[in-house]
Amino acid sequence: QVQLQESGPGLVKPSGTLSLTCAVSGGSISSNNWWSWVRQSPGKGLEWIGDIYHSGSTIYNPSLQSRLTISVDKAKNQFSLTLNSVTAADTAVYYCARDWGENGMDVWGQGTTVTVSS
Amino acid sequence: EIVLTQSPGTLSLSPGERATLSCRASQSIASSRLAWYQQKPGQPPRLLIYVASTRATGIPDRFSGSGSGTDFTLSISRLEPEDFAVYYCQQYGRSPWTFGHGTKVEVK
Repeated sequence: QVQLQESGPGLVKPSGTLSLTCAVSGGSISSNNWWSWVRQSPGKGLEWIGDIYHSGSTIYNPSLQSRLTISVDKAKNQFSLTLNSVTAADTAVYYCARDWGENGMDVWGQGTTVTVSS
Repeated sequence: EIVLTQSPGTLSLSPGERATLSCRASQSIASSRLAWYQQKPGQPPRLLIYVASTRATGIPDRFSGSGSGTDFTLSISRLEPEDFAVYYCQQYGRSPWTFGHGTKVEVK
């Protein structure tokens, strides 16, 4: 079955760039579903960041849109998140997930903790 | 954006009891696109219910969802030890998708 694994730096400096990758295994990133990023912090709970389709189409949370890029690499069967100009408020556990549209987010990675600190 | 309010914040129950969790939306959710997730410490959310009342694959039938419009309910008919966790509702009817702040079901 499909499995997801997040990877990336666990520490990012304020005003820097947060970059994470989600590797998809056991299935193709070109399947007929969207791929999501969700984060979880003690202060804000679960927050949807954005979705991408294998075609490259994206849907972003307006609260993050000005700093956010989500991209897909079909050759590597993975998708990525880039968040610019980070602050301490971006400290969170970041999850990637498979978004089956009407059928909800049914597969999740284990999550990766990102701390924004100097 | 659609704000989801979950109640109660904490539910203290004993194994074998019935749990009833509420999720109220600030506006009507299109096509009942409301999901419920269970989360245990150190783990990602696990999909339980989608489109308000359909159980996800492998979810026991003691979990049931109901509701439409702005009011939704997750019921657990008889709590098993592994059911003590935090439960979140999520709407995906209108972007941005949003989550409630969760209901913790704890052992009484």
